[in-house]
Amino acid sequence: QSVLTQPPSVSAAPGQKVTISCSGSSSNIGNDYVSWYQQLPGTAPKLLIYDNNKRPSGIPDRFSGSKSGTSATLGITGLQTGDEADYYCGTWDISLSGHWVFGGGTKLTVL
Amino acid sequence: QVQLVESGGGVVQPGRSLRLSCAGSGFTFSNYAIHWVRQAPGKGLEWVAVMSNDGNNKYYADSVKGRFTISRDNSKNTLYLQMNSLRAEDTAVYYCAKRRTVISSSWADAFDIWGQGTMVTVSS
Repeated sequence: QSVLTQPPSVSAAPGQKVTISCSGSSSNIGNDYVSWYQQLPGTAPKLLIYDNNKRPSGIPDRFSGSKSGTSATLGITGLQTGDEADYYCGTWDISLSGHWVFGGGTKLTVL
Repeated sequence: QVQLVESGGGVVQPGRSLRLSCAGSGFTFSNYAIHWVRQAPGKGLEWVAVMSNDGNNKYYADSVKGRFTISRDNSKNTLYLQMNSLRAEDTAVYYCAKRRTVISSSWADAFDIWGQGTMVTVSS
């Protein structure tokens, strides 16, 4: 069971918008930055969003991130079939001696 | 280009040891903290360990603490993961991932570059 809670799956039609939630606590999301990763089938994860809402160069502005309190959200607009992937949120957790935590992952299906 | 390349995976019996390597290129390796992250077949990402750029700070997941040791040799641009007392549940693809920034007060700094992964299978 992951420290950060994500819905196991979301789906939407091409061209539509979808949001993926990531719920944590005061020792992780409530305390520090959140990042989001996209993992296409059979490939390594790729950074999508860092510092809650910033996009690395090369990531289209269809992808956005936000954070409020102990929750974060990834938004994807103008869905494309190529967006079908697993999405993970992550951050540092200051509990115990400190450790990184990931959400359980959300499978996005573009219908 | 900036890249990380893992090696050292394979099939190993329970209770045995294995050492993974992560070679960096295209960036100043000694400036960046590097993480190990694993992914069991069909499962999500699980963070394993991180070492600071200078090797002075390291953190481990509870699931590997006392069994795995992270280390680095900046002269060789290489990060290591020594895995002892391996268990079936350690079976996974192991990725190394580079921290995004050189200097940050936050360990929550994102992972901007990932290797392709190396498969470790623990089985008798």
